[in-house]
This record gives sequence, C-alpha cells and structure tokens, in this order.
Amino acid sequence: SQKIEQNSEALNIQEGKTATLTCNYTNYSPAYLQWYRQDPGRGPVFLLLIRENEKEKRKERLKVTFDTTLKQSLFHITASQPADSATYLCALGGGSSNTGKLIFGQGTTLQVKP
Amino acid sequence: ETGVTQTPRHLVMGMTNKKSLKCEQHLGHNAMYWYKQSAKKPLELMFVYNFKEQTENNSVPSRFSPECPNSSHLFLHLHTLQPEDSALYLCASSQHTSPSTDTQYFGPGTRLTVL
Repeated sequence: SQKIEQNSEALNIQEGKTATLTCNYTNYSPAYLQWYRQDPGRGPVFLLLIRENEKEKRKERLKVTFDTTLKQSLFHITASQPADSATYLCALGGGSSNTGKLIFGQGTTLQVKP
Repeated sequence: ETGVTQTPRHLVMGMTNKKSLKCEQHLGHNAMYWYKQSAKKPLELMFVYNFKEQTENNSVPSRFSPECPNSSHLFLHLHTLQPEDSALYLCASSQHTSPSTDTQYFGPGTRLTVL
C-alpha cells in the first residue's frame, strides 16, 4: 500500500538557521507533491506544489525539491524565524495509481527557538 | 481562513447523542471533503463530494453520515459515536477533484470529544 513518512515528529532549530524537513514515500509514483502548514487548532494551509517533472520550486524563504528516483521531497525554510514554528505536512497526489485524492504524511513539528 | 468556515468549533457529545457538523465554502469550488485528524496520525480522508455528488466513501462507519445539499455546504451527521471517534474533523474544498494539481483549502476544524 502507499506509504508516506516524514522524517521526524519534531525538529528543533535555532532562529536564523535553515530548517530541512523530509518526506519519503513508497509504493507510489505521484504526479505532484504539496506542502502544507498547520498551526495548533487550525486547518492546514497550502504552501507549495511541485510536479514530478520539476526538480525544485521556490517561494520567498521556502524551497521544495522533488526527487522521483529517491522517492523523496525536501522542504527547506531559510533564515528561519520563531513564527515559522508549526507542523508541516506533505501530501501526494495524481499518478497512475491514484484517484485524484491527496494522501498526507503524519507531519513534522518544527520549533524555531529565538 | 474565512474561505472555508466550520461550525461548531468545539463539540462534546455522549455516545447516544445525535449532532451535526457544518461546513460552508465561499470560494466557488466544486469539490468538498471531510477529513479526520487524530493525534499523531496522518489526515484520513472520509468523504469526497464533487458537484454535490458523493464520489468517495473511504470505508467510513455508518455512524458518520454526510450530506451535501449544494456545492457550498457540507454536513457531517453524527450518531452513536464511540470515544475513539474523538478527533479534529476538517472540511476542505477544491476547484475540482480531477487528478491534477488541485490545492485544497481547509476550514479551521471542529474539535470533537465523545464521552
């Protein structure tokens, strides 16, 4: 069955450093991958989408890579700030074995300390 | 966040109660979704509606009953729930449900506690 794993439940870093979150998947060849941010008690908010034929996508301090050979996506936040503290979810969709719905990982909670 | 609204935000109910969760989207989208989010678990898709028609029921127990009267409104009717049904219930909408690059817009969720 399709499986998504995000690197760790929690990641603690110092303000100003680059945070790197990992999303690995197996038994699946998605056509696209999305990253969402979720704050406590709130619904997820869309951040970035990357397609299978794209290697990298950037938006302000965010950068996402998508390696279909390694079956992995990396999500980077440069010059991190305490306001970046949240849970980040990766979600996969599309591809030949998918009906169109998004499949979510369990999330990584990022804590940026001042 | 005002694009998708959910009420109530918090709900406590007994196992014999009947209650309903409401979701409304103001984005003009055609597809709506119910997800369940339990602690330490990935979001679980429950139901998908496209143009008011249910297109997916992800093996959800019959004690959860969805209703979609139009493309803007979605309900989740609850009855005889179990304590393990306690979770955050999230509603989402997207332009379409085709296997393309649809982004989902989530509501704030309803925190449900079943006693």
